[in-house]
Amino acid sequence: EIVMTQSPLSLPVTPGEPASISCRSSQSLLHSNGKTFFAWYLQKPGQSPQVLIYLGSNRASGVPDRFSGSESGTDFTLKISRVEAEDVGVYYCMQALQTPYTFGQGTKLEIK
Amino acid sequence: EMQLVESGGGLVQPGGSLRLSCAASGFAFSRYWMHWVRQVPGKGLEWVSRMDEFGSITSYADSVKGRSTISRDNARNTLYLEINSLRVEDTAVYYCASDLSGRSDWWGQGTLVTVSS
Repeated sequence: EIVMTQSPLSLPVTPGEPASISCRSSQSLLHSNGKTFFAWYLQKPGQSPQVLIYLGSNRASGVPDRFSGSESGTDFTLKISRVEAEDVGVYYCMQALQTPYTFGQGTKLEIK
Repeated sequence: EMQLVESGGGLVQPGGSLRLSCAASGFAFSRYWMHWVRQVPGKGLEWVSRMDEFGSITSYADSVKGRSTISRDNARNTLYLEINSLRVEDTAVYYCASDLSGRSDWWGQGTLVTVSS
């Protein structure tokens, strides 16, 4: 089973400031087809998860451009250039290279 | 508008069975792998099961393997998950989702399953 490790688990941020969340996978998520089966999700309070970044570093439709995803080997980073109040919630990373698909523990972003 | 609507959750006694449904609309359901993901209230996300677009390939998490069956009806744009021998630890919100980690990654609002005597 691929283990996904997120950090930090709690992230207090001042509005307008940048934020960064890291996720490390226990093995490469690069498929032989050249795609990276990795995603970032945001679960806002009381809502279901919504994808932010898919296939490694692609911003999903409708996601503000202040969100960006990057990858370097088994290390993945989600960056928010300027945090807004609507960004509060729990952020999860997930690997979909092999079953069982696995999620990180979640990072709770809160506004200071 | 793309929509996934789960139903079938509720209160079930340990050892009982449940069949969850997920009705899809607004997108080409028959073209996508579909998944079930669950979340114990207040906890993280756990992938449960998946099925390919043709209904031929299935996979299950160890926690439900042997007790669950995923299926789909592409004519009705509906995904199903049947869980037998329910345990207290199966209590969770069950979400259906399409194309996990892909361009068409969408989730429903979830249905709560409570296993309790």
